[in-house]
Amino acid sequence: DAGVIQSPRHEVTEMGQEVTLRCKPISGHDYLFWYRQTMMRGLELLIYFNNNVPIDDSGMPEDRFSAKMPNASFSTLKIQPSEPRDSAVYFCASSPGTGGVMRPNEQFFGPGTRLTVL
Amino acid sequence: AQSVTQLDSQVPVFEEAPVELRCNYSSSVSVYLFWYVQYPNQGLQLLLKYLSGSTLVKGINGFEAEFNKSQTSFHLRKPSVHISDTAEYFCAVSDKGGSQGNLIFGKGTKLSVKP
Repeated sequence: DAGVIQSPRHEVTEMGQEVTLRCKPISGHDYLFWYRQTMMRGLELLIYFNNNVPIDDSGMPEDRFSAKMPNASFSTLKIQPSEPRDSAVYFCASSPGTGGVMRPNEQFFGPGTRLTVL
Repeated sequence: AQSVTQLDSQVPVFEEAPVELRCNYSSSVSVYLFWYVQYPNQGLQLLLKYLSGSTLVKGINGFEAEFNKSQTSFHLRKPSVHISDTAEYFCAVSDKGGSQGNLIFGKGTKLSVKP
């Protein structure tokens, strides 16, 4: 398995532009998570999905952020409009959840997308 | 609700010295426990995990952790560190019997190994 795939790996954009981050989870995993990591705030859970359904989006900073999971193999995190304070590394992770016999709740992280908003 | 406390935000240590990174959790139910490592400019990867059975868990790169239920702790140890162990380490907990599949992460401990 190729692991969790994220694209792009780096994104530089200007304030006010729309940014879309993409994630392909590990096949067969029921859970998908979006995290944001900054020096100031550390690792923050933004939202997570179970079987393509958003379960908890309480970590989404504000309405400028939205996430979708149209099918089991793809998810997007969109920021519109982007602001300089959104600059961070965004990680996607997937997990088999409690049903993973050998690896219950173990999360597998992608390499991250480093977003810079100028 | 579950929570994880990593008592030390930064731990400096000299090469070949032993190290212990502390992690305490709170939960009203049985838990799974994890340690993840993040090397500079990389994603998080699993170091070791406790699911059940033996309370002493061995992971990759010579790390081990001991689950102590009475003290609700899961401290990470290595008897002799290398420069290459310089990284940030995250402790995480999840509910063993629940339907929620998420992990609760601590704020991380930055281990800095000096020559």
